[in-house]
Amino acid sequence: QVQLVQSGAEVKKPGASVKVSCKASGYTFTGYYMHWVRLAPGQGLEWMGWINPWNGATDSAQQFQGRVTMTRDTSISTAYMDLNSLTSDDTAVYYCARGEGPGYDWPSDYWGQGTLVTVSS
Amino acid sequence: DFVMTQSPDSLAVPLGARATINCKSGQSVLYSSNNKNYLAWYQQKPGQPPKLLIYWASTRESGVPDRFSGSGSGTDFTLTISSLQAEDVAVYYCQQYYTSPLTFGGGTKVEIK
Repeated sequence: QVQLVQSGAEVKKPGASVKVSCKASGYTFTGYYMHWVRLAPGQGLEWMGWINPWNGATDSAQQFQGRVTMTRDTSISTAYMDLNSLTSDDTAVYYCARGEGPGYDWPSDYWGQGTLVTVSS
Repeated sequence: DFVMTQSPDSLAVPLGARATINCKSGQSVLYSSNNKNYLAWYQQKPGQPPKLLIYWASTRESGVPDRFSGSGSGTDFTLTISSLQAEDVAVYYCQQYYTSPLTFGGGTKVEIK
């Protein structure tokens, strides 16, 4: 069965970076795009970006460009999301989510359990 | 970027009654070459990741109860819960996946009246 297991909660200081991992199992990792989505307190879902695990190509929402880096390690079927220059506005639960098909233009059918990132001085 | 606007922000519906959520896209998400609307609906309950309910605007994901239905085309879409159950209390989001960056609507909170 398809599973996405994310790394544990993090507490970071303003200005720091955080790296969240997402280990996939139960399917061919390189066959499906991986998306990153976050949910901040009192806010709605915010799409951050995607990575094509086959070739490492990425795209991200404009508000994160220059601050987010998405990578993958195909040998261990794991995707990573690195966000730098953290502020309190980045306090949120971060999710990885698999695209249902072979491109970015598919909905997300499987989701990780979420990783809480708290930014506080 | 495609702006997705949901309405209402929240609604309270009696158990067993119909709940209707609207989603409007700033541009059409209908791809003419395959006549598919690149529009999905998700349900999110507190402390849980989102769950895919509907894709291609009207196709129910496997295992989703048939009281959930999606309709619409182009820029205007609707999610309908035909008979609200207690377990349907959640926030519902639409998402366009027609183009990158993908975008979500602001969400609609559904409660029991």
